[in-house]
Amino acid sequence: SQQGEEDPQALSIQEGENATMNCSYKTSINNLQWYRQNSGRGLVHLILIRSNEREKHSGRLRVTLDTSKKSSSLLITASRAADTASYFCATSPDYKLSFGAGTTVTVRA
Amino acid sequence: NAGVTQTPKFQVLKTGQSMTLQCAQDMNHEYMSWYRQDPGMGLRLIHYSVGAGITDQGEVPNGYNVSRSTTEDFPLRLLSAAPSQTSVYFCASSYAGQKNTGELFFGEGSRLTVL
Repeated sequence: SQQGEEDPQALSIQEGENATMNCSYKTSINNLQWYRQNSGRGLVHLILIRSNEREKHSGRLRVTLDTSKKSSSLLITASRAADTASYFCATSPDYKLSFGAGTTVTVRA
Repeated sequence: NAGVTQTPKFQVLKTGQSMTLQCAQDMNHEYMSWYRQDPGMGLRLIHYSVGAGITDQGEVPNGYNVSRSTTEDFPLRLLSAAPSQTSVYFCASSYAGQKNTGELFFGEGSRLTVL
């Protein structure tokens, strides 16, 4: 069964706007990771946040983690057309990294 | 560096045929894994390995075999292909920590159709 679930399933925004997506998971974790997948391509790692961290930044990305609620959010600021992709969270208490079904983000020019 | 290389990129099989999807990485990663991606279902873990000679099952292992004779290679074997195995397959590798993985590096995928 899937450990993580993203919400919403799809998101459409205007270029320059911010995009926020959420991930909920079921069991304890060592870390939580976010990945991007462009159409027809492999997944690309965006950011990893450890279970003892609450917030992490990388460029235009901001990730938060609330272990008490078993949830995480990914914020993409000042979106660009190139941010159009599917975004996945991945979690695991061990080596079996589990992915959700993803959030599809469309950035309109 | 090439990163994670998967072959073939596309394959069409008939029901009952067998084949091997190849995966090689040149980053000296201990951890390697195979996922399948189906529409609306995200990625599901098939098998994984934390080092040469060590393999374990993931979420959906039935119908697939793996072996890890070297650090670099992690082939996925379909024993008797079924239409339900039509999917996109991804190989991924990472450093392996104590009971967890770090950042996964993915191949570009192998698209398999079983008729």
